[in-house]
Amino acid sequence: KAGVTQTPRYLIKTRGQQVTLSCSPISGHRSVSWYQQTPGQGLQFLFEYFSETQRNKGNFPGRFSGRQFSNSRSEMNVSTLELGDSALYLCASSLDSAASDTQYFGPGTRLTVL
Amino acid sequence: SQQGEEDPQALSIQEGENATMNCSYKTSINNLQWYRQNSGRGLVHLILIRSNEREKHSGRLRVTLDTSKKSSSLLITASRAADTASYFCFYNNNDMRFGAGTRLTVKP
Repeated sequence: KAGVTQTPRYLIKTRGQQVTLSCSPISGHRSVSWYQQTPGQGLQFLFEYFSETQRNKGNFPGRFSGRQFSNSRSEMNVSTLELGDSALYLCASSLDSAASDTQYFGPGTRLTVL
Repeated sequence: SQQGEEDPQALSIQEGENATMNCSYKTSINNLQWYRQNSGRGLVHLILIRSNEREKHSGRLRVTLDTSKKSSSLLITASRAADTASYFCFYNNNDMRFGAGTRLTVKP
């Protein structure tokens, strides 16, 4: 089976812009979760989607949003970018639930906000 | 911080030695997972232990869970240079949380 893929791998944006990141889960996996990783805050949970519905949400401002399509592919969007949004964004897929199943992570998208 | 506690923050050992990492959390959980992250392979799942299990093994890995102390430990036996990585615990107690991680360096 192909692993989790994320596009793009690297992205440079300026403050105030918006960005959309994409994630394709492993075939047959219905849960997709997103995480932000920074040196200062470590790995933080953004949200989880299951069957096109947001199941869980972490403690992030409304500028961070996501969605899931009927084929389980997911996108996350960050609007009005701030310098502090510079991070590695990781997507993970699991069979049914990030909380109870193994999560398979993609390589991440490295976002730099200038 | 949203993260659980992990200790030590960093650990440096020689090949062949054992490495133990600890994770503590604050409320009850259904299960706890351990992940490894290195630059070559990204974040990889190692082992999942459920709240009704006390110990679980996978190859050179041994994980214990003490729900009364709200803590888990990961033991890597006979470490190898390839075990050099950051190790994170992950659990769900109303929200998904990763521990702060332990940076393990295994010297050849």
